[in-house]
Amino acid sequence: KAGVTQTPRYLIKTRGQQVTLSCSPISGHRSVSWYQQTPGQGLQFLFEYFSETQRNKGNFPGRFSGRQFSNSRSEMNVSTLELGDSALYLCASSWGGASNEQFFGPGTRLTVL
Amino acid sequence: KNEVEQSPQNLTAQEGEFITINCSYSVGISALHWLQQHPGGGIVSLFMLSSGKKKHGRLIATINIQEKHSSLHITASHPRDSAVYICAVSDNYGQNFVFGPGTRLSVLP
Repeated sequence: KAGVTQTPRYLIKTRGQQVTLSCSPISGHRSVSWYQQTPGQGLQFLFEYFSETQRNKGNFPGRFSGRQFSNSRSEMNVSTLELGDSALYLCASSWGGASNEQFFGPGTRLTVL
Repeated sequence: KNEVEQSPQNLTAQEGEFITINCSYSVGISALHWLQQHPGGGIVSLFMLSSGKKKHGRLIATINIQEKHSSLHITASHPRDSAVYICAVSDNYGQNFVFGPGTRLSVLP
């Protein structure tokens, strides 16, 4: 069974631009969660999608958004990038959500210049 | 006060030593997860617990729901165990994750 994949793996953008990251979950998993990891704040929950619906959202500004497609693939978008958005963005998939075992992707490392 | 705390923050051990990492939390949870993150970023789920104890190879995880405390034990530690170990809890609705700050473990040969 293929694992969770994320594209791209590395990305460099400049302030003010927008970016879209993609996550393909393990086949059969309906929940996809997104996380931001920075040296200062550690791992923080962004949002979770289940069957194309956003089920929960962390404490991030509206510049961070996401969506999930009918095949469970998910994208997250960050608009009007700021220097502080530089981070490792991880997605994880599971069968049912945070009470189930999470399978993490390798992450997308975003650098904002 | 952070919702999830871990101790110690950093730990250096000699190969073969028994290691314990602790996690305490202040919120109601549906499950507690222990995660391992190696340099380079990849995260692997080690355990998911809602009660009792689980064992996988040299790793043992326990949880005490009444005391809101969990421990991760590594027996006969090996340099390949060097990583950051992260405790995370999912809330009562099972929809939100809160992460601990992580424990950086270095096992020296």
